Amino acid sequence: EPEVTQTPSHQVTQMGQEVILRCVPISNHLYFYWYRQILGQKVEFLVSFYNNEISEKSEIFDDQFSVERPDGSNFTLKIRSTKLEDSAMYFCASPDYRTYNEQFFGPGTRLTVL
Amino acid sequence: KNEVEQSPQNLTAQEGEFITINCSYSVGISALHWLQQHPGGGIVSLFMLSSGKKKHGRLIATINIQEKHSSLHITASHPRDSAVYICAVGSYQLTFGKGTKLSVIP
Repeated sequence: EPEVTQTPSHQVTQMGQEVILRCVPISNHLYFYWYRQILGQKVEFLVSFYNNEISEKSEIFDDQFSVERPDGSNFTLKIRSTKLEDSAMYFCASPDYRTYNEQFFGPGTRLTVL
Repeated sequence: KNEVEQSPQNLTAQEGEFITINCSYSVGISALHWLQQHPGGGIVSLFMLSSGKKKHGRLIATINIQEKHSSLHITASHPRDSAVYICAVGSYQLTFGKGTKLSVIP
């Protein structure tokens, strides 16, 4: 069964550093999403990506964040200057329109900002 | 903006018990998802519903569009069912509830 993969599984960084979180979505999916979950809180939408550009973003997704699909397979989330409050689990996901938009989630990257 | 409420927040059950988790939302939707989050953090899709009822093994999900309410039932619960169960609404990007933490005791 096809799956979404994410790397790294855990990233520890110093405040102010840049991090890049990577996702390899299922190849024939068209929409891609980044969500985050701060420890003990609910999952929140960050950004959606379609046809190689951002289609929608939340108020959380400020100028410190960016997304790219650099090579047609990887899907990246970059945080330019990390803050303590960026510590969270970050999930990549995509819906499968062929199964009426069942969501496929990656295993997540746990980001810890010190 | 859709508000998604789940109840209960925490649930402890004895193995074999029938379990119900409830979800209500504030704005009409085209789809509702039930997700399972394991202790390690990974999220797995259990069901996607737009109407009626779906069954998969010991799991049953129902939705009442008019009442903006959905339920997830687990029959003959087992310790391996222990996880956080999350209700989310939306066709593409999702709006999530806070989750229900289920612990099933042998």
